[in-house]
Amino acid sequence: GNSVTQMEGPVTLSEEAFLTINCTYTATGYPSLFWYVQYPGEGLQLLLKATKADDKGSNKGFEATYRKETTSFHLEKGSVQVSDSAVYFCALSRTDSWGKLQFGAGTQVVVTP
Amino acid sequence: GAVVSQHPSRVICKSGTSVKIECRSLDFQATTMFWYRQFPKQSLMLMATSNEGSKATYEQGVEKDKFLINHASLTLSTLTVTSAHPEDSSFYICSVPPASLGGYTFGSGTRLTVV
Repeated sequence: GNSVTQMEGPVTLSEEAFLTINCTYTATGYPSLFWYVQYPGEGLQLLLKATKADDKGSNKGFEATYRKETTSFHLEKGSVQVSDSAVYFCALSRTDSWGKLQFGAGTQVVVTP
Repeated sequence: GAVVSQHPSRVICKSGTSVKIECRSLDFQATTMFWYRQFPKQSLMLMATSNEGSKATYEQGVEKDKFLINHASLTLSTLTVTSAHPEDSSFYICSVPPASLGGYTFGSGTRLTVV
C-alpha cells in the first residue's frame, strides 16, 4: 500500500536556523511527491512538488529532492523566518487510486525571533 | 492555477442538526472532487470521492449515510454532515485533482464545531 512517514514535531527553531523535516514513503509504482503547508487557522497550500526520481522541488527558499533509492523527500530550508511557523505535510499521490493523496502526520514548526 | 472555493469557513451547530459544506471550482470543471477530514493535531484523512453525476465512493470506515455527498454539477460538490454529534467536530477540506501532473488544489477548509 501507500504510506508516508514524517518526523514528529513540534520542531522549534530560532530565526535564521536551518530546517530539515524528514519524510519517507512506501508506494508501488512511481508516485508524485508533495509538501503542503498549513498556516494556523487556514487550509492547505502547495509548497512544492516533484513528479519523478531525482527531481528537486523548490519554492520560497524550501527545497526537497525525490530520492527513489532511499524513498525519501526531505524538506529543507537554509534560513527560516518567523513567518515559516506552520504545520508541514508530506504527501504522495496514491498509485493504487487515481487522484487521491496520502498524507503524513504533519510536522509543526515553530520559529522564534 | 485552479481555484477552489469552500464555505462556510466556520460553523457551529447543535447536536442532532445537519450542516452542509460547499466546495466550488471557480475557473474550471471538476468531474471529481475529494473530501478530507482532519481531527485536531492529526493528519488529513480521505473520506470520500465525489463524482459528478454518480454516487460518491467512500473510504473504509466512513458512514455514507452520515456524510452525504452530492456532486450535482461540474463546479459544485457538497458534503452534508447529518445528525451531527460532538465527535464530528473536525476540519473538513475539499480538493480537486490536477488536469495534469501537478499539485492538487485544496479549498480553504471548514471548521465544524458541534455543541
